[in-house]
Amino acid sequence: SQQGEEDPQALSIQEGENATMNCSYKTSINNLQWYRQNSGRGLVHLILIRSNEREKHSGRLRVTLDTSKKSSSLLITASRAADTASYFCATDRAGGTSYGKLTFGQGTILTVHP
Amino acid sequence: DGGITQSPKYLFRKEGQNVTLSCEQNLNHDAMYWYRQDPGQGLRLIYYSQIVNDFQKGDIAEGYSVSREKKESFPLTVTSAQKNPTAFYLCASSIVGIPGRGTQYFGPGTRLTVL
Repeated sequence: SQQGEEDPQALSIQEGENATMNCSYKTSINNLQWYRQNSGRGLVHLILIRSNEREKHSGRLRVTLDTSKKSSSLLITASRAADTASYFCATDRAGGTSYGKLTFGQGTILTVHP
Repeated sequence: DGGITQSPKYLFRKEGQNVTLSCEQNLNHDAMYWYRQDPGQGLRLIYYSQIVNDFQKGDIAEGYSVSREKKESFPLTVTSAQKNPTAFYLCASSIVGIPGRGTQYFGPGTRLTVL
């Protein structure tokens, strides 16, 4: 599997439900980031969690990071139809100079039905 | 208005032609990146630049070229050597030099189609 692999590939829920997406990676990281992409648009940064952090919140978003399992999860609570988008995790690998290069996963397509 | 702009939004290329995609940012970021996205896929890094007059190949640089003559500009040329150029191209920028940081800011993308 590739660095930054999301699971599930697609998720369909009703408005008001919670959505959970998972990301696994292979190498040590400086940080892990989650991005959102609406169809045909650029990516928008949602949240960054550093390797020494375990959990982070931003509004309706909650991100966890387990470096021992090399995995992260993104939870969107009380989802809305406007949350419909693709969600990508991206890892900033540890080691070397801080060019800020990110490795992106394949993404999870989230559909929230009104 | 601060941000990243890409032009054109849609671009059509004939077989054998070179085309150049524009990317401009006014965020005063040192680093800029070009990614390719195929349908239903994640982003793959083509080229990146940490500083003016310097750039590095990413994972899929073959058939592409870039220049970084100004801090705010990072154009991408898709050459005729790129055998399958039809894709969505995204430009991004970020601050560098701060470990643990590195949020990338993306432009709206250019959709390139080979006729």
